[in-house]
Order: sequence, then structure tokens, then C-alpha cells
Amino acid sequence: DAGVIQSPRHEVTEMGQEVTLRCKPISGHDYLFWYRQTMMRGLELLIYFNNNVPIDDSGMPEDRFSAKMPNASFSTLKIQPSEPRDSAVYFCASSLERGREQYFGPGTRLTVT
Amino acid sequence: GENVEQHPSTLSVQEGDSAVIKCTYSDSASNYFPWYKQELGKGPQLIIDIRSNVGEKKDQRIAVTLNKTAKHFSLHITETQPEDSAVYFCAAHQTGTASKLTFGTGTRLQVTL
Repeated sequence: DAGVIQSPRHEVTEMGQEVTLRCKPISGHDYLFWYRQTMMRGLELLIYFNNNVPIDDSGMPEDRFSAKMPNASFSTLKIQPSEPRDSAVYFCASSLERGREQYFGPGTRLTVT
Repeated sequence: GENVEQHPSTLSVQEGDSAVIKCTYSDSASNYFPWYKQELGKGPQLIIDIRSNVGEKKDQRIAVTLNKTAKHFSLHITETQPEDSAVYFCAAHQTGTASKLTFGTGTRLQVTL
């Protein structure tokens, strides 16, 4: 398996623009997680899905952030409108079962100017 | 919610020496404790994990210990090598409805020649 795949790897955008990050989990994994990593706040869980259904979105910063999982092999994290404080590395991870090891993708480095 | 504290934030050791990283957690119901290694520009990679019904686990040069009573767990790396240089994160998995990982703030390990 190729592991968790994320695209793009780097994104530079201007404040106010819409940003869409994409993730393909490991085949057969029922859980998908979106994390944000910054120097100030470390690794934060934004939202996670089980069988394509959002279970906990309490980590989503505000209404500008939204996530979807239309099928078992694809998820998106959208920021609209983007702000400079959204600059971070966004990771997607997947897991076979609840409470099992999570496998992380390579991340998307987002820079909002 | 769960709170995970990790120490030290930076650690420098000479090649061949041992390195120890310590974490404490707050939720006694947490039952799964993974350790991740993150190299520059990459996503966190699971290196070892331990469950609450086990006190110690070893995999070659890496070992993890868990003290449920004191709510702390540690990562031990023996015979360190330059390729061990990275940022290491501990995490604790909460059970119940809040089924998610909470990460420590990370330890930057530098192995010098």
C-alpha cells in the first residue's frame, strides 16, 4: 500500500482565498483524521470520521473550516476564506480501528499571505 | 479532556548513549499510548506503542514503559545513532465517546557524533 496520500504538498495562497486540501486514506481503514501542526500549538486534532461520517469536529477552529468525506477513499479539508493565522502543516491520518495505530500522510504545508 | 505533558523539549546525546523521554497523562481511562518519530518535512511515524494492560514493551533499541498508577510512560532509546535525530511525540488515547489521540508537545532529539 502507498500509505496515506495528501495533496498538494505545498500551498501558498493569499488571504481571503479558498483552500482545499485532499487526502486518500489507506485502503480498508475505517477512521480518518485531520490534524494541524504549528510551532505554537503542536499537533491538534481538527476532526475525525468513522465510515465516512464525521464523529468529532470539536477541534475545528471556526466556521471557515469544513471537512467532508464523500467516500471511503477520499476526504477534503476546506478553508474559506483563508487567513494568515491558518498557516500550518495539515496532516491526514487513517486507522484500521478505533484505538489502534494511526498512520500519517506527508502533510500539506499551507502558507497564507 | 485528556492532557499530555512531555519532557524534555530538547535532548542532546552522544552517539552510543541512551536517551529517555517522559510523558504524563491526566485521564486514567486512557488505554493506548503510541510514540511517533517525525523527521524534517515528513509526517509523524509510529515507532512503538503500548496498551494499558502491559507494563513494558521492547523493539530492538527502543523500549516503552508504562506506570498506570502514576499515569506516566517513557520512551527509551539505547545505543543511539545519528539517524535517531528527530522530533519524538508521545500520545494518549482516550476511550469512550472522546475516542481520540492527544499528543504531547514533542522532544527534539539530537544525536551528536
